[in-house]
Amino acid sequence: DQQVKQNSPSLSVQEGRISILNCDYTNSMFDYFLWYKKYPAEGPTFLISISSIKDKNEDGRFTVFLNKSAKHLSLHIVPSQPGDSAVYFCAAAAGGTSYGKLTFGQGTILTVHP
Amino acid sequence: GAGVSQSPSNKVTEKGKDVELRCDPISGHTALYWYRQSLGQGLEFLIYFQGNSAPDKSGLPSDRFSAERTGGSVSTLTIQRTQQEDSAVYLCASSGVGTGMTDTQYFGPGTRLTVL
Repeated sequence: DQQVKQNSPSLSVQEGRISILNCDYTNSMFDYFLWYKKYPAEGPTFLISISSIKDKNEDGRFTVFLNKSAKHLSLHIVPSQPGDSAVYFCAAAAGGTSYGKLTFGQGTILTVHP
Repeated sequence: GAGVSQSPSNKVTEKGKDVELRCDPISGHTALYWYRQSLGQGLEFLIYFQGNSAPDKSGLPSDRFSAERTGGSVSTLTIQRTQQEDSAVYLCASSGVGTGMTDTQYFGPGTRLTVL
């Protein structure tokens, strides 16, 4: 069963606008969440993370929001830049840390148009 | 410093052959992970090693898959009697162990395996 789901396979936005990528999870044991970015022919690169004790974490243009009651998290990119075009994966872990097994969503392809 | 490296970058093999994929983790990282990404899918956990502890093999899809980590550093993922459904990108990651950012898993570029 798919414990982490990214229901939008793709997202297209204009440069300068906000990109919002969504992720849902089903396993209540998950308490640590991460976003990775992946360019073609490269491995995923860590972007930002959030612990379940928080509902928001911000790093520059990137903000992750966590809604535990809805088992939903989102990544906001403001303003979006063409270099942000990549596949974005959300991932979840149990145990309050990213150490150990990560469960990934299927990914969302973000395209930012100049 | 150097990141996670994997070799080969591409591997084409015939059904039924054995393959070995190699991963060199970031120096000093004590945890090493293997994942795979099949076409159109997310990353699927396979196995992870932490120091001298028994590895967590819970993600290995069949007994044709095995992995070892020698000297707490380099790891080899072996797939015996490959099948076409084994075709995927195999990704290795490594991390420290601790709290916060030291736990972050850093990924290598992957090995693209194609089984004909």
